[in-house]
Amino acid sequence: AQSVTQLGSHVSVSEGALVLLRCNYSSSVPPYLFWYVQYPNQGLQLLLKYTSAATLVKGINDFEAEFKKSETSFHLTKPSAHMSDAAEYFCAVSGQSNTGKLIFGQGTTLQVKP
Amino acid sequence: KAGVTQTPRYLIKTRGQQVTLSCSPISGHRSVSWYQQTPGQGLQFLFEYFSETQRNKGNFPGRFSGRQFSNSRSEMNVSTLELGDSALYLCASSGQGIEKLFFGSGTQLSVL
Repeated sequence: AQSVTQLGSHVSVSEGALVLLRCNYSSSVPPYLFWYVQYPNQGLQLLLKYTSAATLVKGINDFEAEFKKSETSFHLTKPSAHMSDAAEYFCAVSGQSNTGKLIFGQGTTLQVKP
Repeated sequence: KAGVTQTPRYLIKTRGQQVTLSCSPISGHRSVSWYQQTPGQGLQFLFEYFSETQRNKGNFPGRFSGRQFSNSRSEMNVSTLELGDSALYLCASSGQGIEKLFFGSGTQLSVL
C-alpha cells in the first residue's frame, strides 16, 4: 500500500527566499512520485514527476525535487519564491504505471510575503 | 488540443437528491479517473474507467457510481446525496498511464 505525508500544512516565505515543501512516502513497490499545484478555483497542474530515471527531477517554473530512497522523501524546492507561487501543493504517489489512481498527501499551502 | 472539460462548474443540490457530473477527456485519452476533494479528507480517489470498464475503485460507498461511454466521456453519479458529499469533484484523463495524467477544473457540488 502507498501513502504520502506532507509535513506542514502551511508554509510562509518571503519573496525571493528559498521554498522547501516536504513530502515523505510509503510504498511497497518502486514508486512513481509527483508534485501538483492547485491555484484557487482550479484543477491540479503537474509540476514534476519521478518515474525511476534521474533522482533529481526538474519541473516547471524552476521547481525541482530530489528522490531519496534511503529517506523515503521527495521534497520540493525552488531557489527563489515569486508572489505567483502562492498556491496549494500536493505530493502524490502511485505504485503502478498503467493507472489513473494516485494517493495524495494532505497538501501544503504556500504563502509568499512581499 | 482542448483540455479536460468538466460540466457543470457549480452545482447546488439538496439532501436526498441525486446528481450526475460529466467529464470529457482530452482527445485520444482512454482513461478517466475521478477524485473527491474536501477540506477535511483532502484528495481521494473515487474510481477509474478505461475503455468503458472500471479499472480501479476507491473506498467510497455504493451511492457513488460512474460509467464511461464509447467516446471516452465519463459520467459520475451520486445518489441520495448527503451533506458530506459537498466537495470539489475532479476528473483526470490519461492516454499513457500515470505519467501523463491531466486534470480538469472540477465541479463544485454543494449539498444543502
